[in-house]
Amino acid sequence: ETGVTQSPTHLIKTRGQQVTLRCSSQSGHNTVSWYQQALGQGPQFIFQYYREEENGRGNFPPRFSGLQFPNYSSELNVNALELDDSALYLCASSSISGDTGELFFGEGSRLTVL
Amino acid sequence: QKEVEQNSGPLSVPEGAIASLNCTYSDRGSQSFFWYRQYSGKSPELIMFIYSNGDKEDGRFTAQLNKASQYVSLLIRDSQPSDSATYLCAVKDSNYQLIWGAGTKLIIKP
Repeated sequence: ETGVTQSPTHLIKTRGQQVTLRCSSQSGHNTVSWYQQALGQGPQFIFQYYREEENGRGNFPPRFSGLQFPNYSSELNVNALELDDSALYLCASSSISGDTGELFFGEGSRLTVL
Repeated sequence: QKEVEQNSGPLSVPEGAIASLNCTYSDRGSQSFFWYRQYSGKSPELIMFIYSNGDKEDGRFTAQLNKASQYVSLLIRDSQPSDSATYLCAVKDSNYQLIWGAGTKLIIKP
């Protein structure tokens, strides 16, 4: 059974650029959620995808968007990057949408915006 | 604004002692409560979850929930240096979204 994998692990961008982060969910899981974790803070919920549709969103602007593919892998896209977007971006998969808090996290993508 | 509050610490506990971590939440409609452990530079991993008032034990870990006081805690018995990490409290609110605390950094001193 493969775990959650994310890519890239580290990346550096400049303000105004766009970034795409990728996540492969754990085998058998059909729900993927994305979190932003700033240094010293808890994760902040960005959005969740279930069967290729967004079914929950946190307090993030529209420049944060995502996709889920038929194989349940997912992408997080951030446009017009701002300095405050620098954070660890975590992808988590689970087997039932909105029914359990047991999330299986990837190791994260650390984004630095200069 | 729904909130989950934790003392940021660091909480320093001698090896072999009991570590007590606390969390309060604002949404009275919350039904599910979770403790995650996060080692530095790593992603969070689930330690325990609790749904009902009272205590739930799993090995050296005990979760305690008091919905009337909107309070959930995690006790770690016989603390080991490997327990040193940040402990995140997460609460599934009435909209079924997970709200996270900022975490408590725990240091177990040998």
